[in-house]
Amino acid sequence: SAVISQKPSRDICQRGTSLTIQCQVDSQVTMMFWYRQQPGQSLTLIATANQGSEATYESGFVIDKFPISRPNLTFSTLTVSNMSPEDSSIYLCSVEDLGNGGEAYNEQFFGPGTRLTVL
Amino acid sequence: RKEVEQDPGPFNVPEGATVAFNCTYSNSASQSFFWYRQDCRKEPKLLMSVYSSGNEDGRFTAQLNRASQYISLLIRDSKLSDSATYLCVVWKGSARQLTFGSGTQLTVLP
Repeated sequence: SAVISQKPSRDICQRGTSLTIQCQVDSQVTMMFWYRQQPGQSLTLIATANQGSEATYESGFVIDKFPISRPNLTFSTLTVSNMSPEDSSIYLCSVEDLGNGGEAYNEQFFGPGTRLTVL
Repeated sequence: RKEVEQDPGPFNVPEGATVAFNCTYSNSASQSFFWYRQDCRKEPKLLMSVYSSGNEDGRFTAQLNRASQYISLLIRDSKLSDSATYLCVVWKGSARQLTFGSGTQLTVLP
């Protein structure tokens, strides 16, 4: 299984500022995703981080608010821009390695999450 | 209507009890189904996949009914360590995205 680390593990930020969250994987993986888990809620997919091209965003999420980078197969960043208290949440990255390129599901592993509080 | 709906819970059961969780999904194109477990302040981890034929892993049994678009998880002989939130998860395939239910919280009491 992939070992995933995220930085920072938690942060408290002022409204109007931006925070960049890093996700590092110990091996090359095909797919990387960013999720949000608001207090008491389940996980919602923000976007798929694509290497070498723009991320693919889900409905309700836009690049200006959540810019994402993926410079290689082991690393991605998510920025939460112009933060407001409504952005207080846990942000998790997950990875799926397609291995031999088959279409079948391969287990997605999740990072430990970044707990963000916006004041 | 949410794409994946679960029993709201919470479930508080005594040790040794049998508990069942239910889940329904709305997208008939969904391809694969899973139960994830999330401990408090931890990331979700895959508990088991769910197959139409039903599958068992120790004290855990998962079942899928594609006609009814219904998924279940049965936990027998509950242990204190089973206390967690159980997430019903659906995979649609082409976009490789997971869709999570809201989760059902289980507390096993001594």
